[in-house]
Amino acid sequence: GAGVSQSPSNKVTEKGKDVELRCDPISGHTALYWYRQSLGQGLEFLIYFQGNSAPDKSGLPSDRFSAERTGGSVSTLTIQRTQQEDSAVYLCASSGTGPGYTFGSGTRLTVV
Amino acid sequence: GIQVEQSPPDLILQEGANSTLRCNFSDSVNNLQWFHQNPWGQLINLFYIPSGTKQNGRLSATTVATERYSLLYISSSQTTDSGVYFCAVIYSGAGSYQLTFGKGTKLSVIP
Repeated sequence: GAGVSQSPSNKVTEKGKDVELRCDPISGHTALYWYRQSLGQGLEFLIYFQGNSAPDKSGLPSDRFSAERTGGSVSTLTIQRTQQEDSAVYLCASSGTGPGYTFGSGTRLTVV
Repeated sequence: GIQVEQSPPDLILQEGANSTLRCNFSDSVNNLQWFHQNPWGQLINLFYIPSGTKQNGRLSATTVATERYSLLYISSSQTTDSGVYFCAVIYSGAGSYQLTFGKGTKLSVIP
């Protein structure tokens, strides 16, 4: 597509439930990144996918977080047994042969 | 890891005024980008500028890589310039690809 698409745009969930966040990158972009932005904070790196290589999961804050990327395109970030501290905006970005990153509009997750 | 510091943290401008935002980083980089996050949360890439100077309309940016800083200039500011400006870098060490962000400068332009 023309831009990076994320869904849902907003998600309210109860503490302890699992959630799935989706990212559809720009067509042809081989690199895909997930970042998290907590209230009043900068952006925190979570995970990086590049083509068919093993992802870099070094930024995932706990084993409740996981992500996959199917067919080198769409990615899903899953948070199991959500906690209130997981409340944040989750941003996805993709990049191709150029150096710039294109970000999606994000998913605002609220855990109540 | 590499540290990115932005200043000032908050800035209030009268419409039409000029401003300079600063980004200091702690190590050598091979990628530096400036982003604008609008009040709706969308991050827009303004410049890719690991060194040198670029201009785009009322915005320009300069990076002095040897002195580890970058400046973003906004001239004749407009209310639509409001939002948070982020500087982000990639350390030039082998295998690095992760953008590290500063905490941003929150700009409010008032009519």
